[in-house]
Amino acid sequence: QKEVEQNSGPLSVPEGAIASLNCTYSDRGSQSFFWYRQYSGKSPELIMSIYSNGDKEDGRFTAQLNKASQYVSLLIRDSQPSDSATYLCAVSSNAGNMLTFGGGTRLMVKP
Amino acid sequence: GAVVSQHPSRVICKSGTSVKIECRSLDFQATTMFWYRQFPKQSLMLMATSNEGSKATYEQGVEKDKFLINHASLTLSTLTVTSAHPEDSSFYICSSRGLAGGTDTQYFGPGTRLTVL
Repeated sequence: QKEVEQNSGPLSVPEGAIASLNCTYSDRGSQSFFWYRQYSGKSPELIMSIYSNGDKEDGRFTAQLNKASQYVSLLIRDSQPSDSATYLCAVSSNAGNMLTFGGGTRLMVKP
Repeated sequence: GAVVSQHPSRVICKSGTSVKIECRSLDFQATTMFWYRQFPKQSLMLMATSNEGSKATYEQGVEKDKFLINHASLTLSTLTVTSAHPEDSSFYICSSRGLAGGTDTQYFGPGTRLTVL
């Protein structure tokens, strides 16, 4: 059974700090990796996608992928209170195909 | 990003009634749509995969006769919760598979909160 694991948190960081969110997955055949942000009562919003090993940066967000370790992470620089949300890691064997979600990590950015 | 709409956004109904939820991809054609369910403080659980013009594929434990899915066009999929009961109360979210900005991924609708009394 394919599994995606995340620490449920809450992860609390002060405003302006770097928030580091981690995710591990069990299926070595996974090819596509996604980070979604979900505010309470809302549906998930795609933040980043990453497909190859290494880092991918987009504004204040950096996704990191290590397929050998089956590990993907999301760094949020200069964290803002508006970043407070639950961050979902999702993994797929093919881009756009069925996603397997982790349980999510709740991030709290304190002013 | 791609735009996916859902209607209604919120519905309250009596036990035993049926509820239909619509999911539309507004700016691209979605050959595949997915239906998820999310209970409070839990992650998304895939219910079924819906392909245009064919029968939906349901995940293990999801009753296909209770959760009817129709994907009649490339932009519309519907989920009907038949004979709803309080335990069906949940947040139902659809997503559409599509290409946007060169990325083949899933884009989520805003969700439908169902409360069954």
